[in-house]
Amino acid sequence: DIQMTQSPSSLSASVGDRVTITCRASQGISSYLAWYQQKPGKVPKLLIYAASTLQSGVPSRFSGSRSGTDFTLTISSLQPEDVATYYCQKYNSAPLTFGGGTKVEIK
Amino acid sequence: EVQLVESGGGLVQPGGSLRLSCAASGFTFSSYSMNWVRQAPGKGLEWVSYISSSSSTIYYADSVKGRFTISRDNAKNSLYLQMNSLRDEDTAVYYCARCGYSYGGAYWYFDLWGRGTLVTVSS
Repeated sequence: DIQMTQSPSSLSASVGDRVTITCRASQGISSYLAWYQQKPGKVPKLLIYAASTLQSGVPSRFSGSRSGTDFTLTISSLQPEDVATYYCQKYNSAPLTFGGGTKVEIK
Repeated sequence: EVQLVESGGGLVQPGGSLRLSCAASGFTFSSYSMNWVRQAPGKGLEWVSYISSSSSTIYYADSVKGRFTISRDNAKNSLYLQMNSLRDEDTAVYYCARCGYSYGGAYWYFDLWGRGTLVTVSS
């Protein structure tokens, strides 16, 4: 099975900082990669699918990109409401594996 | 309102059984593939099972294969998860999640989630 390795597992950044989270697939998954945001005590929310397509209603400070089997979620200017855990998920085939998550906090 | 509402969680002893339900509303349930995703306390997300819109295709995570059964009733706009031979490690919040639809096709990312139902396996 394809493994999804997310890094870092946690980060602390200041409001306005540019934040980057990486997800690496152990094999090729084309662009079948989604990103989710889960705020504390809340339900996961879809941010990005197809590696770089922003879900409707998601702020434009969020973006996604792909380079081979490496995928990146970028928050261009971190806001207090972005405190959450972020997960990647591959969906080219079953099993539909999630990454381990990245917890983002405000410094 | 487009929503998914799970029910059926609770406390069960190891080796016991439980049946979860997910009621869908506000969209054409029969057109969408569906999933169960779980999250153990303080842990990350784990995909559990997938069922296609017509029930013709079903997948399970290795961790639940042979113990859990996913099903759906399109006439009742409902998704189910029958869980047997439950173990301590099955303790989690179980979410019902809808597969996304884009570029004219269905894809296996999750664009709509329920609030979840807590399953606790403990003696």
